[in-house]
Amino acid sequence: GPKVLQIPSHQIIDMGQMVTLNCDPVSNHLYFYWYKQILGQQMEFLVNFYNGKVMEKSKLFKDQFSVERPDGSYFTLKIQPTALEDSAVYFCASSSASAETLYFGSGTRLTVL
Amino acid sequence: QQKVQQSPESLSVPEGGMASLNCTSSDRNFQYFWWYRQHSGEGPKALMSIFSDGDKKEGRFTAHLNKASLHVSLHIRDSQPSDSALYFCAASEPNTNKVVFGTGTRLQVLP
Repeated sequence: GPKVLQIPSHQIIDMGQMVTLNCDPVSNHLYFYWYKQILGQQMEFLVNFYNGKVMEKSKLFKDQFSVERPDGSYFTLKIQPTALEDSAVYFCASSSASAETLYFGSGTRLTVL
Repeated sequence: QQKVQQSPESLSVPEGGMASLNCTSSDRNFQYFWWYRQHSGEGPKALMSIFSDGDKKEGRFTAHLNKASLHVSLHIRDSQPSDSALYFCAASEPNTNKVVFGTGTRLQVLP
């Protein structure tokens, strides 16, 4: 089936540093999402992105967070500066259209020390 | 307050048994619903979508939607050990395409 690739699979950084999580979505998909999951529990919606713009963001999407997809390359989530509570697994997802199934990557495990 | 609540939190069924999972939304903006399954160390994978009232069957899986009560259920017939996973209900808002996941049900199928 369609594959979403997330790079890196693990990232360890010191609190206060910047981190960029990369997502290579399914090639013809137009809608992109980031989710946060702590300790294998609930998938928390962070943000979705379409046509170069953020469509909707949750309260978890703090001012320190930003997303972009320059010129159809990776869809990225940047956190600057990071905080201890940002430690989690971050999942990227994409879909071909609205009201279509999301395809997820395997996640990036972020550890903030 | 969670907008998409699932019950039970965890469930154990014997191999070959029936597993029943429930999901209720508190937001009438949600129009479209999915069931996703997540195995340990992986991202969620969609099992099925359901957009209309009534039942939808795909193999061993049957979903039921009641839009009036904002209730969605998933029934897994002839459960297999490989069905052991974390199951999520997901709901979508048509205006923003925001997809919200439920609180999750952890299913264990005992051999």
